[in-house]
Amino acid sequence: NAGVTQTPKFQVLKTGQSMTLQCAQDMNHEYMSWYRQDPGMGLRLIHYSVGAGITDQGEVPNGYNVSRSTTEDFPLRLLSAAPSQTSVYFCASSPQGRGLETQYFGPGTRLLVL
Amino acid sequence: DQQVKQNSPSLSVQEGRISILNCDYTNSMFDYFLWYKKYPAEGPTFLISISSIKDKNEDGRFTVFLNKSAKHLSLHIVPSQPGDSAVYFCAASELQGGSEKLVFGKGTKLTVNP
Repeated sequence: NAGVTQTPKFQVLKTGQSMTLQCAQDMNHEYMSWYRQDPGMGLRLIHYSVGAGITDQGEVPNGYNVSRSTTEDFPLRLLSAAPSQTSVYFCASSPQGRGLETQYFGPGTRLLVL
Repeated sequence: DQQVKQNSPSLSVQEGRISILNCDYTNSMFDYFLWYKKYPAEGPTFLISISSIKDKNEDGRFTVFLNKSAKHLSLHIVPSQPGDSAVYFCAASELQGGSEKLVFGKGTKLTVNP
């Protein structure tokens, strides 16, 4: 098992550009989520999904879109990048229907918006 | 308003001694708590959890204590090892309330000196 994979590892964007952060898991987990981590801050939940076709907003959803067409993939889309979206983004998945047990995190995507 | 607070940004201890990491919460509806460990350039990994029906949970060198009346939990690492040097995040959720969301603290950076 590769676990939770994220691509790219690092990305530089200009303000206004759009991009998709990819997240995939091969553990057949129902629950997947996206977090961002900023310096001196904890992880903040952006969006999450409890299964294919079901998504919901987390604490900081503005500026981000998600979809869950398959169990394996949970891409995060930045519609129009802003410098405030400079952060490290983590994707996570969990075997539980509810994602409160042991979430498996990906290695992160470091995003810089100029 | 921060619902989960880790008031110590950093902690330094000697190898072999006890490390105590603290976490306070404000939401009395939280009933499930987790600790995650994070190394640089990696995603967080689950360490230990505790339900609000318990006041202690132990796993090897790691023990989590929960004081519901004080809305306080702590993670004890005994004995501390240099490999324990990492950032530790406390997280909480309303498990019985059906929430799939975790709220994280800002983290405490633990350094264990040889």
